[in-house]
Amino acid sequence: DSGVTQTPKHLITATGQRVTLRCSPRSGDLSVYWYQQSLDQGLQFLIHYYNGEERAKGNILERFSAQQFPDLHSELNLSSLELGDSALYFCASSVERGYGYTFGSGTRLTVV
Amino acid sequence: AQSVTQPDIHITVSEGASLELRCNYSYGATPYLFWYVQSPGQGLQLLLKYFSGDTLVQGIKGFEAEFKRSQSSFNLRKPSVHWSDAAEYFCAVGPYTGTASKLTFGTGTRLQVTL
Repeated sequence: DSGVTQTPKHLITATGQRVTLRCSPRSGDLSVYWYQQSLDQGLQFLIHYYNGEERAKGNILERFSAQQFPDLHSELNLSSLELGDSALYFCASSVERGYGYTFGSGTRLTVV
Repeated sequence: AQSVTQPDIHITVSEGASLELRCNYSYGATPYLFWYVQSPGQGLQLLLKYFSGDTLVQGIKGFEAEFKRSQSSFNLRKPSVHWSDAAEYFCAVGPYTGTASKLTFGTGTRLQVTL
């Protein structure tokens, strides 16, 4: 157990639907990062939150949004889902720059 | 822009043999460098990291990596591979300064270990 909790582990949904992925960071970590991992794109950075504030955005589609709540957990919302959104979505947390990330075990999203 | 190149997509070694996984990075300032390992169906686990000091860093599971600034490389090594080391390995680079801490990952090297 890495200390970063992601739910659900698996999600199967239809095209056009909306889903929410949840992440609880390791205790004491203020930063949460979301990454998408697919076979053709590798690990792609989506977004970074630090103590409730958005700090950096990567290749995140407009259909995707995220937030970090006062208790530091984060949610990634994916809407108008397409087949190409099928991927592993990882959340990672860190205490501060340079300490590396601690990754959760991911949410496998399958869009059918 | 920062980038990481892992030139070997797939490597096969025999159990007990030595291992070196290559990583080249491009970064405009002093970087943080990391190696992660991902077993099938699992998240990524940090093996080791470097940001200053001794250019040879030791990590978990008997891995080490050497930072060579002149070659922009951060290769991962292990003297004797075990079958349980079969996994995918990712090199990553991040900023040493500033507030943004986004890590950029390489495309990974899949390690197969033959018995």
